[in-house]
Amino acid sequence: GAGVSQSPSNKVTEKGKDVELRCDPISGHTALYWYRQSLGQGLEFLIYFQGNSAPDKSGLPSDRFSAERTGGSVSTLTIQRTQQEDSAVYLCASSLGSVMIKGYGNQPQHFGDGTRLSIL
Amino acid sequence: SQQGEEDPQALSIQEGENATMNCSYKTSINNLQWYRQNSGRGLVHLILIRSNEREKHSGRLRVTLDTSKKSSSLLITASRAADTASYFCATDAREYGNKLVFGAGTILRVKS
Repeated sequence: GAGVSQSPSNKVTEKGKDVELRCDPISGHTALYWYRQSLGQGLEFLIYFQGNSAPDKSGLPSDRFSAERTGGSVSTLTIQRTQQEDSAVYLCASSLGSVMIKGYGNQPQHFGDGTRLSIL
Repeated sequence: SQQGEEDPQALSIQEGENATMNCSYKTSINNLQWYRQNSGRGLVHLILIRSNEREKHSGRLRVTLDTSKKSSSLLITASRAADTASYFCATDAREYGNKLVFGAGTILRVKS
């Protein structure tokens, strides 16, 4: 597709269940990012993938959170044993290259519309 | 202040007026970006300004950067109802691992 695609757009689940969120980046974009946005807040960085390099997982809030990116394209963010504080909008973004390389913050990020996750 | 903090938190203006939003940050940066987010949607990139640049324009948008004051401003001229959205600045700084760090945003409401 032309833009970043995320699914599902909304997810409601019970506390303690596992959830999987999917992101399909723009074709040809080697960098992929996951963010979390709580109500009325800015974006909290979670994880970053760049090509075949080891991902930067420094933003993951706990070991219940994990992500993978298969074949350098589609990414899945998994939250195990969900808690109510996990409720938020999870946004995925992609860019042509990495903003993580010093001095290379010249890459606009293209965002999907997010998955709104609600934990009951 | 946090790295990338917008001011004001909320702004309400009439259609046709100009809107100015400010962003302050704490550390030296490589670049600064502004994004817009419509309700229920993802962020849309507006402008990127490098640390050695002072001003950039894009259509009705004007961004300034003052590295001595560690601040940036986004000016939207002749605002339209469709400009109603949240606006975020994001900084790329070595001290934050060169990750984009987003502020909490300014909510702009343009009344028609």
